[in-house]
Amino acid sequence: KNEVEQSPQNLTAQEGEFITINCSYSVGISALHWLQQHPGGGIVSLFMLSSGKKKHGRLIATINIQEKHSSLHITASHPRDSAVYICASATGNQFYFGTGTSLTVIP
Amino acid sequence: DGGITQSPKYLFRKEGQNVTLSCEQNLNHDAMYWYRQDPGQGLRLIYYSQIVNDFQKGDIAEGYSVSREKKESFPLTVTSAQKNPTAFYLCASSKRGQGAYEQYFGPGTRLTVT
Repeated sequence: KNEVEQSPQNLTAQEGEFITINCSYSVGISALHWLQQHPGGGIVSLFMLSSGKKKHGRLIATINIQEKHSSLHITASHPRDSAVYICASATGNQFYFGTGTSLTVIP
Repeated sequence: DGGITQSPKYLFRKEGQNVTLSCEQNLNHDAMYWYRQDPGQGLRLIYYSQIVNDFQKGDIAEGYSVSREKKESFPLTVTSAQKNPTAFYLCASSKRGQGAYEQYFGPGTRLTVT
């Protein structure tokens, strides 16, 4: 079983700040996923990556396969970024999820 | 629009009753998943199906049952044998049953059993 740990658990930021959420996993993976869960419970996929770096708008995801570590960065954070961000490792046919990072961005 | 629907959004049941949660997708995805989410815990896999008429137990399958008679549908039954059924249930699908494919999630069903 792949253990997935995220840090921090909770994060409060001022609007405009640069934010980093970290994720580490214990065994080799086929892909690493970053998800966003809104207050109502719905989950959307932000990134899927197996190497290097991906960027979408103000969001950037990186992964270091050797160190079994991934980061999600949000540049110029905005109150609408407030959500729970979940890291998930994919091993074979299964996904293993972190407990999530609850982000609150204050105007 | 393609997507995943789950119904109902909120469900209340008395202890001892079986209840079935609906999940439908029109994305033409082969793989479908059921997860349970509890406060302070990561999503945990209940069952997954990679193809019609086939499904596999996840980490917490006890007290649950599923069927996959159609590609579009993957209903989950929470039986009276499930000791702590109150939770938020999420259905997801992906193009294939492997981790290298993006997962699409439904809006979830919040089940309360009293």
